[in-house]
Amino acid sequence: DSGVTQTPKHLITATGQRVTLRCSPRSGDLSVYWYQQSLDQGLQFLIQYYNGEERAKGNILERFSAQQFPDLHSELNLSSLELGDSALYFCASSLNPDRGLAGDIQETQYFGPGTRLLVL
Amino acid sequence: AQKVTQAQTEISVVEKEDVTLDCVYETRDTTYYLFWYKQPPSGELVFLIRRNSFDEQNEISGRYSWNFQKSTSSFNFTITASQVVDSAVYFCALSEANFGNEKLTFGTGTRLTIIP
Repeated sequence: DSGVTQTPKHLITATGQRVTLRCSPRSGDLSVYWYQQSLDQGLQFLIQYYNGEERAKGNILERFSAQQFPDLHSELNLSSLELGDSALYFCASSLNPDRGLAGDIQETQYFGPGTRLLVL
Repeated sequence: AQKVTQAQTEISVVEKEDVTLDCVYETRDTTYYLFWYKQPPSGELVFLIRRNSFDEQNEISGRYSWNFQKSTSSFNFTITASQVVDSAVYFCALSEANFGNEKLTFGTGTRLTIIP
């Protein structure tokens, strides 16, 4: 158990709908990352939040958005869903301490169990 | 741009055999991090190892070992005396050490099947 939780575990919805995926990071972790795993695209980085602020963006569609709340949990919102959005969505978290204090500037990302989204 | 190549799509070995999973990466950075993750049939991604670009020492953890060679941009993973529980998809990943952008770039994965 990585300590990262994601809900729901499975989600089935229809095209055109909107869904919200939720992620709770490991206790103390400030950074949250979202990844999408699909058969044709593999594992792709979507977006990163650090302590409530967007830090980096990857191949995230405009129909998708995310936020990180003061309690550090994060939500990924997917709207106007298409068949091709069917995928496994992972959340990961890491501590991401201040660079000067850490020495080692890259923390390990620990992944949640994922949310499997099926768009029909 | 960074890239990770796992040329072996699928590997099958008989239990107790040794197996090596290859990983080749591309990056322009001099400081970067390499990772291996395991994805068992249940679907979660399990962290196995992290290595920074300044540490070329090989690492051994039980039956697992990793060989990092900067000269060939490779970070290969060997399982010794494989077991059925090792059956999974294994991903190699790269992160350029840019504070504020620690995204992981993953390879396409190698599906390892251990035959009892």
